[in-house]
Amino acid sequence: EAGVAQSPRYKIIEKRQSVAFWCNPISGHATLYWYQQILGQGPKLLIQFQNNGVVDDSQLPKDRFSAERLKGVDSTLKIQPAKLEDSAVYLCASSPGTVYEQYFGPGTRLTVT
Amino acid sequence: AQSVTQLGSHVSVSEGALVLLRCNYSSSVPPYLFWYVQYPNQGLQLLLKYTSAATLVKGINGFEAEFKKSETSFHLTKPSAHMSDAAEYFCAVGFGNEKLTFGTGTRLTIIP
Repeated sequence: EAGVAQSPRYKIIEKRQSVAFWCNPISGHATLYWYQQILGQGPKLLIQFQNNGVVDDSQLPKDRFSAERLKGVDSTLKIQPAKLEDSAVYLCASSPGTVYEQYFGPGTRLTVT
Repeated sequence: AQSVTQLGSHVSVSEGALVLLRCNYSSSVPPYLFWYVQYPNQGLQLLLKYTSAATLVKGINGFEAEFKKSETSFHLTKPSAHMSDAAEYFCAVGFGNEKLTFGTGTRLTIIP
């Protein structure tokens, strides 16, 4: 069974530029999560989708971050414009239906200069 | 609100020695507790989880953890460390179908 796929793996941009990350969850998983992991910290949930609907986006900085999950499968997370403090690893996870079975992708490491 | 505290951001043990990584939680309702491992440049992998069944939980790679309600703890142990155990370990708490809250992580180094 293929795992959660993410791309790109690494991205370097200048502040005020925009960037997008892509996630392909495990086939059949209804729930998809985006986390932000800043160096030295644990992952922090940004947004949770159930199929193509948003369940929780309370910690998503909506003035600059946006996410979508079209057709309840792939998802894209966008940052526009990026700030220095957005430098982090962005993790995507998927779950067949409960929070207790989250499977994580390898992450995208973003560096904002 | 729920939270977890991991004591010790870095832990070093000799190969073959006991591994003990500490996690304390705060939750207003009975929690579900998890330990995840993260190897360099990889995502998180579930080691084990407590979901209100047996208080001693066995996971992968020889790890286990014991839920102690009186101490609000969920420490991770392994009797004999192996070089391949070097990684970062995260404790997390959740309940119901709510989001997981992760600790800040403990980096485990194994000394040959």
